[in-house]
Amino acid sequence: GAVVSQHPSRVICKSGTSVKIECRSLDFQATTMFWYRQFPKQSLMLMATSNEGSKATYEQGVEKDKFLINHASLTLSTLTVTSAHPEDSSFYICSAVPGQGATRGYTFGSGTRLTVV
Amino acid sequence: AQTVTQSQPEMSVQEAETVTLSCTYDTSESDYYLFWYKQPPSRQMILVIRQEAYKQQNATENRFSVNFQKAAKSFSLKISDSQLGDAAMYFCAYKEDTGRRALTFGSGTRLQVQP
Repeated sequence: GAVVSQHPSRVICKSGTSVKIECRSLDFQATTMFWYRQFPKQSLMLMATSNEGSKATYEQGVEKDKFLINHASLTLSTLTVTSAHPEDSSFYICSAVPGQGATRGYTFGSGTRLTVV
Repeated sequence: AQTVTQSQPEMSVQEAETVTLSCTYDTSESDYYLFWYKQPPSRQMILVIRQEAYKQQNATENRFSVNFQKAAKSFSLKISDSQLGDAAMYFCAYKEDTGRRALTFGSGTRLQVQP
């Protein structure tokens, strides 16, 4: 149980274009999802908290107009990287909170490697 | 703000031996949760073990156990009978007890297992 699917796993896009990453909870409803960014050989840095039916909460320093988050249903959150530039190249990971997630740990998607050329 | 510190960027262990990964954290809360996650080369985050701060008993999951020292704010992971498949990045993580808060991660420890 508590499976999170993230797509795509890899994407290459041209500079200036937008890319959408999907995060789905497959067997549970997730009112809250988190988006992280991970640079090579570094830890996961929280970008934003996605709440179903409301605006996302962004961490300090994260441009909300560049990283658009939509959590329109209880099983789907999307992260759109708008007007992507090479410095946006990174590994993006989502995490969803199952009903008992507060105590049992959160479930993570398999991540998306974004390369902007 | 809470911080999580992993002071060992890399560790190495011989197959079948035991290794301990260190983690310290800083918080003013009395109730919280601590986790160890494993990130193999596939980069999928896998929960290894969790500990509730209100529990004095150290958590154990098969070959994995923790040494939780609440007063010292220390949360180390012991891996017994190390296997080649244990080679990965290991992240210590903290979560407040209140609400659906995100995890705060340490910088990670890369564990190598030598055959």
